[in-house]
Amino acid sequence: SQQGEEDPQALSIQEGENATMNCSYKTSINNLQWYRQNSGRGLVHLILIRSNEREKHSGRLRVTLDTSKKSSSLLITASRAADTASYFCATDGAGANSKLTFGKGITLSVRP
Amino acid sequence: DADVTQTPRNRITKTGKRIMLECSQTKGHDRMYWYRQDPGLGLQLIYYSFDVKDINKGEISDGYSVSRQAQAKFSLSLESAIPNQTALYFCATSDRYGYTFGSGTRLTVV
Repeated sequence: SQQGEEDPQALSIQEGENATMNCSYKTSINNLQWYRQNSGRGLVHLILIRSNEREKHSGRLRVTLDTSKKSSSLLITASRAADTASYFCATDGAGANSKLTFGKGITLSVRP
Repeated sequence: DADVTQTPRNRITKTGKRIMLECSQTKGHDRMYWYRQDPGLGLQLIYYSFDVKDINKGEISDGYSVSRQAQAKFSLSLESAIPNQTALYFCATSDRYGYTFGSGTRLTVV
């Protein structure tokens, strides 16, 4: 079973627009991470937000976490064609023996 | 050199064959993982190991086995490959600061 569920499943925007992707999860977490995957190949770690954090920024990326709603959002500002990729949220569960559990991903297309 | 190296990068094998996917890491992490990715399903955990003497099944371990030969090496075996094991396989390591993924092995079973 997959912990995280991303929304929407697919997103198509114009270059320069902002892209917002959402993730919901079911159980308590230690942290939540966002990854990017280009063309079905390697995963690139984008950002990690811990359960005691509410917002985090990294360049054009902004991640929020609401543990009361068990949800997170990833905002990519001023999108570029090179941002076209699949984006996954992954939750690292609470507890010493936690594992990283992925959602099914969001396909983002940025039109030039 | 990559922190997490997977070999082979691509492999085509026949149904019924035994195949091993290898993973080695230079991160010095105790924890290692094997994930499988099918289109539209994200990554699913096959097996994980928190140290050399620890092996645990993940969500989809049936048809797979693993071996943790050393802290740096974690191999995944398909004892008798079947077509629905065609997928992209990722190895990963972790410590308290985060995860590092390999580039993946694309396996096709014909």
